[in-house]
Amino acid sequence: AQSVTQPDIHITVSEGASLELRCNYSYGATPYLFWYVQSPGQGLQLLLKYFSGDTLVQGIKGFEAEFKRSQSSFNLRKPSVHWSDAAEYFCAVGASGGYQKVTFGTGTKLQVIP
Amino acid sequence: KAGVTQTPRYLIKTRGQQVTLSCSPISGHRSVSWYQQTPGQGLQFLFEYFSETQRNKGNFPGRFSGRQFSNSRSEMNVSTLELGDSALYLCASSLGVQRGGTDTQYFGPGTRLTVL
Repeated sequence: AQSVTQPDIHITVSEGASLELRCNYSYGATPYLFWYVQSPGQGLQLLLKYFSGDTLVQGIKGFEAEFKRSQSSFNLRKPSVHWSDAAEYFCAVGASGGYQKVTFGTGTKLQVIP
Repeated sequence: KAGVTQTPRYLIKTRGQQVTLSCSPISGHRSVSWYQQTPGQGLQFLFEYFSETQRNKGNFPGRFSGRQFSNSRSEMNVSTLELGDSALYLCASSLGVQRGGTDTQYFGPGTRLTVL
């Protein structure tokens, strides 16, 4: 069974600073990896996804993530954080069995201070 | 293209009652998945429907059930509500036909259920 670990429950960064949110997955085959963002009381918005190919993936809102198979990681990065990025971020892994079985991490809450 | 819509957005029920939540997927999407989100348990997968058939199921009691109609719209039903069922229920739609893999899921805004 697949699993996802987001080791940081809460992160605080200053506006304009760089950001890296960690995600480690466990899955025996090639994983399908996603990052979503959720604002309070809202649904999840897809930031980016990795299925195959280039291991550095560009997403919306200036986010990128790098798939590192050797480290079983899919960390999310942004070079300069904006106050509007304050939200909760979820990493997720999907199975390769052809079914929509997606497992989410517990989320990282990002606080941005001016 | 219109996004995923969920109705109602908010619900207040009492213990023992039952509730039905509705989800309309993105046009052309045939897979609908349901998730329960709570502060303590996070996002937990309930079930997935594809072409009117339940294809995947999470570890929830039989009080939680769902169905999908021929137009891909889906409903989720919870019977005999318990206080612990208070949560944000999220619906996600996808094409559902990725060969050997997982399609991208697009989420609705959720239904906030409060059980008193």
